[in-house]
Amino acid sequence: NAGVTQTPKFQVLKTGQSMTLQCAQDMNHNSMYWYRQDPGMGLRLIYYSASEGTTDKGEVPNGYNVSRLNKREFSLRLESAAPSQTSVYFCASSEAVPTGGGEKLFFGSGTQLSVL
Amino acid sequence: GESVGLHLPTLSVQEGDNSIINCAYSNSASDYFIWYKQESGKGPQFIIDIRSNMDKRQGQRVTVLLNKTVKHLSLQIAATQPGDSAVYFCAENTRGAQKLVFGQGTRLTINP
Repeated sequence: NAGVTQTPKFQVLKTGQSMTLQCAQDMNHNSMYWYRQDPGMGLRLIYYSASEGTTDKGEVPNGYNVSRLNKREFSLRLESAAPSQTSVYFCASSEAVPTGGGEKLFFGSGTQLSVL
Repeated sequence: GESVGLHLPTLSVQEGDNSIINCAYSNSASDYFIWYKQESGKGPQFIIDIRSNMDKRQGQRVTVLLNKTVKHLSLQIAATQPGDSAVYFCAENTRGAQKLVFGQGTRLTINP
């Protein structure tokens, strides 16, 4: 039982390049999330998927796209990377209660992305 | 406590002492609160959570206190150990919002 698995762990891009961050969970969770974490700051939500087939914007969605491929997998794509997207990216999942009101997130180990 | 900016609040404690990490929240509609621990190079790890119908919850060596009147949350760690060194985040959720909002984090360092 690996929990939440992210790939790659490290990536360096040049400005304008594109890439996709992969995330998979084996806990049969309904909801999945992508966060970014910048130095000295908390986690900021980029996109989330409350259930298979749905995605919604979070706090900082600009410059990103997501795909909920199936219940297990949720990918994050940078179409044209910018230096401002240099960050550590975390994928998370939760069982999620449909009416909200509390959800424990389980996080992957992160992807450190540098855009030059 | 939590604050906005590039510099994380830091709490230094002696090994064996108790640690208290504070968090203020602003949304009076928040009804679920959670504490995470993040060690260097790792993802956040769940510590303990509490719902708004409670004011205290205990786990193994940790206690979370919730004061809804002043919108304040605290994490108490008993007999702090070197392995407790990490950044601690509080997060809140509002019923129906389906997503957690994280604070800025507090760095806990342990002095031998």
